[in-house]
Amino acid sequence: KAGVTQTPRYLIKTRGQQVTLSCSPISGHRSVSWYQQTPGQGLQFLFEYFSETQRNKGNFPGRFSGRQFSNSRSEMNVSTLELGDSALYLCASSMDRDNYGYTFGSGTRLTVV
Amino acid sequence: AQRVTQPEKLLSVFKGAPVELKCNYSYSGSPELFWYVQYSRQRLQLLLRHISRESIKGFTADLNKGETSFHLKKPFAQEEDSAMYYCALSGGGNKLVFGAGTILRVKS
Repeated sequence: KAGVTQTPRYLIKTRGQQVTLSCSPISGHRSVSWYQQTPGQGLQFLFEYFSETQRNKGNFPGRFSGRQFSNSRSEMNVSTLELGDSALYLCASSMDRDNYGYTFGSGTRLTVV
Repeated sequence: AQRVTQPEKLLSVFKGAPVELKCNYSYSGSPELFWYVQYSRQRLQLLLRHISRESIKGFTADLNKGETSFHLKKPFAQEEDSAMYYCALSGGGNKLVFGAGTILRVKS
């Protein structure tokens, strides 16, 4: 079956702009989580959605937001981009709260210039 | 607070030597522990989870609650094991706290 699909793979944006990243989970997976990966901070949890509801949120400013649709696809949005937002953004899906283990996508590489 | 510590940024071993990647955690409850691996130019993938008590690609990890550790071990390293390894903790709910990662280099 298809894995977790993230689009686009690469993005270049300028400071102050906003960006939307998309994630399609594995079919049947209802939990979608987002992570930011940077060389300095490593992998950090952004938020998790389950059945269109945000269940968990990490310690990121309100400029970072997300949503989940009825088909479990998810988007995350970053507004008023800063240089420090340059990172690899990873999406992960799993079946439910029981932690069977996440399946990660290949990520979206965001560069803010 | 939930925290995962991987004390080694880089571990270099010879092919056929034993491998132990260290992971210590801080969590007051009963955590779920995982090891994830990222091979060069590939996506992050689950290697094993403690609750399964399984062995994947010859790797095992035992949760030691007394020492709050979840070290990853393999008796004989292979060159294809070279990768970045992340230890991760879940304290409930689908939120993972990752360690900084350890690069494993297996030399021939």
